Amino acid sequence: DQQVKQNSPSLSVQEGRISILNCDYTNSMFDYFLWYKKYPAEGPTFLISISSIKDKNEDGRFTVFLNKSAKHLSLHIVPSQPGDSAVYFCAASLYKAGNMLTFGGGTRLMVKP
Amino acid sequence: KAGVTQTPRYLIKTRGQQVTLSCSPISGHRSVSWYQQTPGQGLQFLFEYFSETQRNKGNFPGRFSGRQFSNSRSEMNVSTLELGDSALYLCASSPRTSGTYTDTQYFGPGTRLTVL
Repeated sequence: DQQVKQNSPSLSVQEGRISILNCDYTNSMFDYFLWYKKYPAEGPTFLISISSIKDKNEDGRFTVFLNKSAKHLSLHIVPSQPGDSAVYFCAASLYKAGNMLTFGGGTRLMVKP
Repeated sequence: KAGVTQTPRYLIKTRGQQVTLSCSPISGHRSVSWYQQTPGQGLQFLFEYFSETQRNKGNFPGRFSGRQFSNSRSEMNVSTLELGDSALYLCASSPRTSGTYTDTQYFGPGTRLTVL
């Protein structure tokens, strides 16, 4: 079963507007969450992370929100830029399981100029 | 600093053969993890090595194995290849500053394996 799900395979946004990418998880033991961005022919690149003891983490244009009761996290990109067009993966890890990440299926973001 | 490098970048094999993929982590990184990416299953964790020891293992058959050398370079091996093993194999390295908590992992570009 998929423990981490990204229900939107694609998202199209106008340049300058907000992009909101969503991720749901089923395992309540996950305690650390990450977002990665992937361009074609490249490996995923780390964007931002959040611990389960927090509900928000911000880094420049990127903000991740965590709603533990709903087992839901989201990534907000403001303002969106054409260079943000890529596939975004959310990932989760278990307490004390170190670097073993469980990934969602990814959302392809297209930012139109 | 040079990033994570993986060799070869592309590989074509036939069913029943075996294959070895190589990963050189970022200098100073001691942990190497391997992931398989397929259209159907997405990105799945294979295993993690730290200080030449396997620390975590994903849900893959025993045909998938790996090892890490004293210089932190890692190899993964797939024996008796099946058509379903066609995938992008990604390697990621991290400093492993903590023994148990999640580091930021840096991924290589991957090795595209095609099994005919």
